[in-house]
Amino acid sequence: EPEVTQTPSHQVTQMGQEVILRCVPISNHLYFYWYRQILGQKVEFLVSFYNNEISEKSEIFDDQFSVERPDGSNFTLKIRSTKLEDSAMYFCASSKATDTTNYGYTFGSGTRLTVV
Amino acid sequence: AQKITQTQPGMFVQEKEAVTLDCTYDTSDPSYGLFWYKQPSSGEMIFLIYQGSYDQQNATEGRYSLNFQKARKSANLVISASQLGDSAMYFCAMREGTGNTPLVFGKGTRLSVIA
Repeated sequence: EPEVTQTPSHQVTQMGQEVILRCVPISNHLYFYWYRQILGQKVEFLVSFYNNEISEKSEIFDDQFSVERPDGSNFTLKIRSTKLEDSAMYFCASSKATDTTNYGYTFGSGTRLTVV
Repeated sequence: AQKITQTQPGMFVQEKEAVTLDCTYDTSDPSYGLFWYKQPSSGEMIFLIYQGSYDQQNATEGRYSLNFQKARKSANLVISASQLGDSAMYFCAMREGTGNTPLVFGKGTRLSVIA
């Protein structure tokens, strides 16, 4: 079964450093998303991406964050100058549907980011 | 106001028994979708079941069923014949509208299955 692949599974970084989280969405999907889950809390939407541009972003997604689809397969989330409060699980997701059906909405297994 | 409310922070169930996890939602959009995800201790988000707002019948997937009561805006997850491997966090989520809208999640319910 097709899956969304995220790398690395766990990353530890120094405060103030830049990190890039990588995702390979399912190949025929058109919509890509990043979500964040701070430990013990609910999953929060960060940004959605379609047709090589951001289609929607939350208030969490400030200038510290950026997304990119550098080639035909990867979808990246860059966090500049990381802060302690950026420590969280980051999920990538992709979907093919434009209506409200579930079909094809798939999450990756997540990257656990720890900022020290 | 919370879009998705899960009022049970934790639940216990005996192995082989059925359990219901509650979820209520708030939307004024007539078109929406409701999702349940399982998150084991390893952290990944596992899709369990989906219910569309226009679906006439309650969704079922194996041991999972969704008790959809549209007028009450509730979408409770029923797990039948609980297994030890069902112990996990369970999240209810909603997607509003017909476009590429993001999921909004509830705070989750931690289910513990007891042998």
